[in-house]
Parts: sequence; C-alpha cells; structure tokens
Amino acid sequence: DAGITQSPRYKITETGRQVTLMCHQTWSHSYMFWYRQDLGHGLRLIYYSAAADITDKGEVPDGYVVSRSKTENFPLTLESATRSQTSVYFCASTEGFVYNEQFFGPGTRLTVL
Amino acid sequence: QKEVEQNSGPLSVPEGAIASLNCTYSDRGSQSFFWYRQYSGKSPELIMFIYSNGDKEDGRFTAQLNKASQYVSLLIRDSQPSDSATYLCAVSGGGADGLTFGKGTHLIIQP
Repeated sequence: DAGITQSPRYKITETGRQVTLMCHQTWSHSYMFWYRQDLGHGLRLIYYSAAADITDKGEVPDGYVVSRSKTENFPLTLESATRSQTSVYFCASTEGFVYNEQFFGPGTRLTVL
Repeated sequence: QKEVEQNSGPLSVPEGAIASLNCTYSDRGSQSFFWYRQYSGKSPELIMFIYSNGDKEDGRFTAQLNKASQYVSLLIRDSQPSDSATYLCAVSGGGADGLTFGKGTHLIIQP
C-alpha cells in the first residue's frame, strides 16, 4: 500500500537499552521528519532529512540518532533510552518543498521503564 | 524561538453551527500555514494549508490568514459530531524545514 508506515506501533523497553523506530514511505518524497508528541508540549521536531545521507537536527535532538541510506527509509535510534523519552513518535514526509505540506505516519508509542 | 499559540479549549459547538478555531504565530518570516486534525490515539491528518493572505475554502472548511496580524483561523461550517477532535495549527518558515506546531484546540461538537 502506498503511504507512510511506522514500526513497531508499540514498544516497551528499559532504561539504557538501544531502540530503533522504523519509518518507511512509498511516495518517493525527498524530505522526511521525526517528531515526538508529549502532553503539554505538543509536537516537536527531533530530526529531519532532505535526501539520502543528508540529515539535520531539529528542536529536541539530544539522545537520538538518525540515518538515511535509502530515500524511502528514515530510522530513528535511541542509543540509550531514558524515561524522558517515553512519548509518541511520528514520522512525516513531504515532497512539497515550496509549501511543505507534511503527511504523517500512524505513530509509535514508546514506553521506557 | 518560533512559537505558535492556540487556545487549548475545550471548545464546545452545537451540531450544525460554525466552529471557529484560532492560532497566532511569532515568526514574521513564516511562509506556509497548516491545519491538522488529530483524533485521540491517531496521527495528525492534514486538512488545510494556506500561504497567501485571505481565505481559502475546501468543502466545509475555510482557512483564513492575516500575516500583518500574524493570525490564522479555521472555520468549520455545518459542524458534525465527527468533527470532534483536536485541531493543530502549524507553521513553516519556508522550504522543507520542520513544522512548528501549536499545542492544539480540543473541539467538541454537541449533537
């Protein structure tokens, strides 16, 4: 199916463990984004990518690593998970570099114990 | 730091009436403006975007932009119970940068 998918949809992990959240889009959009959504903070940008092998930090990048070896994939890794990284993570993409309308994946709910 | 402000609500509107949602933003350089709808437990869904001053209509939805006042609004005509959701206002500085979101307005349409 065309669109943007995320996996896993739900994840429970422990403090200090490495976790990777996957994002895959079939639109061939150049630009991809990772956001986290927390009560009281709304959606905040973690990292984004303009193309394969081009990534840049957003508002809250600390503790996260991204890569983009293929245009369609944009994984987000928490190198050593902390409780403060408990959140809902959304991946988004856009080809509209003029208007930047972004389309979101279904999200991953991550709980760090 | 860019900021987007929305009244958190809840905003309660009778079915069939017009719902009016408002948003202000701090960065005068903002170029594009978006309204997303988010149902509980779901991802944000793009419903409107606007980039020029004035009104833009799409079905029951009208987005309004006033760059001089740094103000964006969304009108929903003939409100339906299915419109009950959180509405997120977002702005872009131009190009494909990340969006800056408001915290959202919780809209309740009363049958």
